[in-house]
Amino acid sequence: EVQLVESGGGLVQPGGSLRLSCAASGFTFSSYWMHWVRQAPGKGLVWVSRINSDGSSTSYADSVKGRFTISRDNAKNTLYLQMNSLRAEDTAVYYCALADTAMGCFDYWGQGTLVTVSS
Amino acid sequence: SYVLTQPPSVSVAPGKTARITCGGNNIGSKSVHWYQQKPGQAPVLVIYYDSDRPSGIPERFSGSNSGNTATLTISRVEAGDEADYYCQVWDSSSDPFYVFGTGTKVTVL
Repeated sequence: EVQLVESGGGLVQPGGSLRLSCAASGFTFSSYWMHWVRQAPGKGLVWVSRINSDGSSTSYADSVKGRFTISRDNAKNTLYLQMNSLRAEDTAVYYCALADTAMGCFDYWGQGTLVTVSS
Repeated sequence: SYVLTQPPSVSVAPGKTARITCGGNNIGSKSVHWYQQKPGQAPVLVIYYDSDRPSGIPERFSGSNSGNTATLTISRVEAGDEADYYCQVWDSSSDPFYVFGTGTKVTVL
């Protein structure tokens, strides 16, 4: 059974940093592209970032470019999102999701972790 | 960036058919995926590549895509189908690459 478990969310002040983790199991982690998608309270889904299967290629939404860094450790079956210079508008539930190709759909999603940016 | 427009809400009686549209410029040339999200839960893929169903998704869910509109159809609607539904495409010429629709709340009367 595919499982994606996010952690690392919480309350942080504007300008602060957080690192999210996504622990994967039930599939061959190193074969899949991984993504972060976020959802502000009461709002829709917004794609944040992606990383290819071996970690050599990454992409970001303009809204987070230069502030967020996606990475992965295939030996630990874990995906990360380092978030710096956080803003109030980054407040959201952050989901990790897997896709089998660069243009594929998001086959499975984690349960999400809430990030709140507030003073 | 590429924009996908969905109706904010659709209401349907149990046993009837719900149709959720997703409008985008020449969306028929792209592959469309659909997700169901119930309150407090993560999204679940219900249709991929326009009309394919993942294992475990009832046959009542179907999809189509042509011209400027993609459609998710839910036949014989049940109370458990009440949820938010999002369409999504990948567009290499867009930024961001992965675009979600605005979302549609399906209410079962």
